[in-house]
Amino acid sequence: GAGVSQSPSNKVTEKGKDVELRCDPISGHTALYWYRQSLGQGLEFLIYFQGNSAPDKSGLPSDRFSAERTGGSVSTLTIQRTQQEDSAVYLCASSRMGTTSYEQYFGPGTRLTVT
Amino acid sequence: AQKITQTQPGMFVQEKEAVTLDCTYDTSDPSYGLFWYKQPSSGEMIFLIYQGSYDQQNATEGRYSLNFQKARKSANLVISASQLGDSAMYFCAMREGSGGYNKLIFGAGTRLAVHP
Repeated sequence: GAGVSQSPSNKVTEKGKDVELRCDPISGHTALYWYRQSLGQGLEFLIYFQGNSAPDKSGLPSDRFSAERTGGSVSTLTIQRTQQEDSAVYLCASSRMGTTSYEQYFGPGTRLTVT
Repeated sequence: AQKITQTQPGMFVQEKEAVTLDCTYDTSDPSYGLFWYKQPSSGEMIFLIYQGSYDQQNATEGRYSLNFQKARKSANLVISASQLGDSAMYFCAMREGSGGYNKLIFGAGTRLAVHP
């Protein structure tokens, strides 16, 4: 079946503009996660959704970052008034209950460049 | 404090040889899970192997095995019979708690280069 998809794959924006990143999880996966990977670094957790609610937003770096999920499916990560330090690859992952490992399946990521 | 530590920024191995990638973790939660992911230059994160804190045996998946030493809080990845396609970044990650919806905490990664 289809994996996790993300769009756009690349986004170049000017400092101060808002951007929206989209994630389409695997069908039936109730958990959805956003991570950020800066150049040469490991992944940094941002937020996760259980259904449409977000029990853990602890990783969002500032109030310029927000995310929502509708219909228990697609999620949008919005960054307002982008800054150069927001440049990174934003990865989305989804997982389902019923497996021991609760393995997270990752999308290909959106590479955001703020100029 | 670092929850996941990968002390090897880069590793080299000859094709067909085995290599061990180190990972130590820190948690006070008795229930946790440890994961290894591979990230090739293309950028996708590929799940390799999982070890639960209560699992009695070390996890194995094909050429991948996890050397789980609970008392030492280490979860090293062993890749046997290395192949050129194994060249990639490798990330160790931990999930704390026993629920199904828990974030992963990642280490900084180890870049593995397999030489012919």
